[in-house]
Amino acid sequence: DAGVIQSPRHEVTEMGQEVTLRCKLISGHNSLFWYRQTMMRGLELLIYFNNNVPIDDSGMPEDRFSAKMPNASFSTLKIQPSEPRDSAVYFCASSPTGSYSNQPQHFGDGTRLSIL
Amino acid sequence: AQTVTQSQPEMSVQEAETVTLSCTYDTSESDYYLFWYKQPPSRQMILVIRQEAYKQQNATENRFSVNFQKAAKSFSLKISDSQLGDAAMYFCAYMDSSYKLIFGSGTRLLVRP
Repeated sequence: DAGVIQSPRHEVTEMGQEVTLRCKLISGHNSLFWYRQTMMRGLELLIYFNNNVPIDDSGMPEDRFSAKMPNASFSTLKIQPSEPRDSAVYFCASSPTGSYSNQPQHFGDGTRLSIL
Repeated sequence: AQTVTQSQPEMSVQEAETVTLSCTYDTSESDYYLFWYKQPPSRQMILVIRQEAYKQQNATENRFSVNFQKAAKSFSLKISDSQLGDAAMYFCAYMDSSYKLIFGSGTRLLVRP
């Protein structure tokens, strides 16, 4: 079975540009999580969805960040306009159930984003 | 708020030896889950082992085992017969009914041949 698929794997762009990160969930999973990893802050949850509905977006840093799930298997994380401090590795993870359970989250390979 | 602390930024172990990575956490919840994730240089996040807080028995997965001390809020990972492929960052993580994974700062494990 294919795992969580993220694209692109690397993104380098100039400050002020719009950045879109993409994630395809594992088939049958209905919970989706976006994380950001930096040296300073470690791994932190940005937002998570259950059945396409955003449940908790308290980790989204500011209005420049937005996330959507246009369908049950796909999500995007958009940054507009991008800033150098947004440089990080962004992970997407999915889980098979939206209710509290012991189902672990399966991570994609991450997107390394560099804003110049 | 729940927190996860890994006090060892880096650990080193000789191949074939045993190493223990420490993790403590703070929570007022009684029902939660704990995880260890491995992140090799390829940056994948790989689940190593998980523990349900309501289970007293320590989880084991082949060469990996945990020492879960609920009263002390401690969750250490023991790697036996260390292999070169075990070299990676290891993250301890906590999850409760909020369904958020809260990660520690990580421990870099070096394996000496």
